[in-house]
Amino acid sequence: EAGVAQSPRYKIIEKRQSVAFWCNPISGHATLYWYQQILGQGPKLLIQFQNNGVVDDSQLPKDRFSAERLKGVDSTLKIQPAKLEDSAVYLCASSPETSRETQYFGPGTRLLVL
Amino acid sequence: AQTVTQSQPEMSVQEAETVTLSCTYDTSESNYYLFWYKQPPSRQMILVIRQEAYKQQNATENRFSVNFQKAAKSFSLKISDSQLGDTAMYFCAFMIFTSGTYKYIFGTGTRLKVLA
Repeated sequence: EAGVAQSPRYKIIEKRQSVAFWCNPISGHATLYWYQQILGQGPKLLIQFQNNGVVDDSQLPKDRFSAERLKGVDSTLKIQPAKLEDSAVYLCASSPETSRETQYFGPGTRLLVL
Repeated sequence: AQTVTQSQPEMSVQEAETVTLSCTYDTSESNYYLFWYKQPPSRQMILVIRQEAYKQQNATENRFSVNFQKAAKSFSLKISDSQLGDTAMYFCAFMIFTSGTYKYIFGTGTRLKVLA
C-alpha cells in the first residue's frame, strides 16, 4: 500500500511570499492531519479533517494559514503571507477509520523563509 | 492542560547495548493512548510502539518495550540490542478523544545516537 505523499519536499521563499503544500493520504483514510514541526520541537497540530470537514483548527493561525480538503481525499495547506517564523517542516498524516488512534506520516515539506 | 515531557534532549548508546528513553505526561483523562514515534534523519516519522492506557500489560515490539506506570504518568521506552539504524529522534506522544475528535500531544523529542 502506498504511503502518505507530500510535495514539494523542500521550498525556499522570501518573507511575505505565498506557498502551498500538497498532501495525498493513504487510500481510504478518512482522517487527515497537518502538523508544523519547528526545528528542535515536536509536531504541533495545525488542522484536522474528517473526510472533507474540519474537526479541529484551534491552533491554525487563520490570518495567514488556510487549508482545504475539498473532495475528502487530498489536501492543500497554504501560507499567505509567510513570515520568518514559519520556517519549519510541515507534516501530513492520515488515519484509517478502523484505527483512528494510529497515524501514518508523510515525509514532510521543509520550508525555509528568508 | 495536556502535556508531554521528555527530559533527555540527547542520548547515546553503544551498539548492542540497552538504552531507556524517559517520558512523562499529564492529563486528566482516564482513557488515552500512548505512543513512541521514531524520526530518522531526513526521513519520515514511523510508529515504534503503542500502549492503551486501560491495559496494564506493557507493550512489546521485538527489541522495543515500554514501562508504563499509569499512576506516575510515566511511559519510558527501552531499546534492547541497539543497532546503528536506531539512530533517530524519538517522540513520545499521547492521544485522547475529546470534543468528538482525536487529539495528539507530542513531546519535544530525544535525539538518540547509536555508536559503533
